[in-house]
Amino acid sequence: EPEVTQTPSHQVTQMGQEVILRCVPISNHLYFYWYRQILGQKVEFLVSFYNNEISEKSEIFDDQFSVERPDGSNFTLKIRSTKLEDSAMYFCASTLGRANYGYTFGSGTRLTVV
Amino acid sequence: QQQVKQSPQSLIVQKGGISIINCAYENTAFDYFPWYQQFPGKGPALLIAIRPDVSEKKEGRFTISFNKSAKQFSLHIMDSQPGDSATYFCAARPNFGNEKLTFGTGTRLTIIP
Repeated sequence: EPEVTQTPSHQVTQMGQEVILRCVPISNHLYFYWYRQILGQKVEFLVSFYNNEISEKSEIFDDQFSVERPDGSNFTLKIRSTKLEDSAMYFCASTLGRANYGYTFGSGTRLTVV
Repeated sequence: QQQVKQSPQSLIVQKGGISIINCAYENTAFDYFPWYQQFPGKGPALLIAIRPDVSEKKEGRFTISFNKSAKQFSLHIMDSQPGDSATYFCAARPNFGNEKLTFGTGTRLTIIP
């Protein structure tokens, strides 16, 4: 069964450093997402991406965040200057589109900011 | 209005029993209601989903009951097994826009022997 692959599985970074979280969505999917889950809390929407541009972003997704699909397979989330409160699990997800409601989530990247 | 409220926060059920998790929403634009199962260290995995044109959907031991007028939906796990121990999230998605999911707060389910 096709999978959404995320790397790395765990990243530790110092406050103020830049991090890039990587995702390889399912190859024929068209919509891509990043969600965040702070430990023990619910999964929160960050951003959606379609047709090479952001289609919606939440209030969490401020100027320190950016997303990119640099080639036909990778989808990245960059946090420019990490803060302690950015520590969370970050999940990438993809879906084929409106006619197919199923989302597939990756296993996540645990980001720890120290 | 975008919130999805989920209860209980945690649930302990004996093996073989029925686990019931409830969710409520306010946004009448929501038209797709999935349940996700999450094991520690893993991403959410789609378990079962329903659209508001039906009141119930069953897949194996998992059933979603949907009450459109009350804006509530619930997950029933019949014959609960220790392997069902996980965190369960309800979610909802509107019928327009980019298919963003709004998640409930999660229920940690523990099945005891």
